[in-house]
Amino acid sequence: RKEVEQDPGPFNVPEGATVAFNCTYSNSASQSFFWYRQDCRKEPKLLMSVYSSGNEDGRFTAQLNRASQYISLLIRDSKLSDSATYLCVLYILTGGGNKLTFGTGTQLKVEL
Amino acid sequence: EAGVTQFPSHSVIEKGQTVTLRCDPISGHDNLYWYRRVMGKEIKFLLHFVKESKQDESGMPNNRFLAERTGGTYSTLKVQPAELEDSGVYFCASSISAGGSSGSGANVLTFGAGSRLTVL
Repeated sequence: RKEVEQDPGPFNVPEGATVAFNCTYSNSASQSFFWYRQDCRKEPKLLMSVYSSGNEDGRFTAQLNRASQYISLLIRDSKLSDSATYLCVLYILTGGGNKLTFGTGTQLKVEL
Repeated sequence: EAGVTQFPSHSVIEKGQTVTLRCDPISGHDNLYWYRRVMGKEIKFLLHFVKESKQDESGMPNNRFLAERTGGTYSTLKVQPAELEDSGVYFCASSISAGGSSGSGANVLTFGAGSRLTVL
């Protein structure tokens, strides 16, 4: 089983739509959680951190459910510029160091 | 502030040849990471430097890969000899140390644009 599971999509949505992505993880030792955004042929960029209490940044809302080992990202009022791949990312601190573990990403295409 | 820079942006080599990728982290970032994305797969961790020391190299695929960070500044990742399955995008990332001014700064990685490697 993969450490981080995401639906690869693509999710094709009209401009203005609300879209939600989910992510499940298997390592209960995961300590921090993030959503990264990656545009085609570009580097991943941090979109937002994810907290158990839920957090919102403009049109983006992220939620963490530790009991179910589940993370979500909600995008409201989708814009064309939201088209990208959204990566679910875990941060794990181990005895040997710390590292990010990535999901394969969910592709979003926002259309006119 | 300059970001993480990687060179070359794209390299095309033949199987059996050697390639060296370079990463210049953000100045002052003690942590430097190498990641790789192979076509169709997720981005995977290769190794982590803290300054010049290898903190974790558990993700290095085999002994054809050699990473160095002499002096704790820039890092190189050498693949010798390259194989077809080494093709992919190699990302470098850096972050401040855990003792930095930002409590969660150690978690926040800044990625370079990546070095695309094509092995023919």
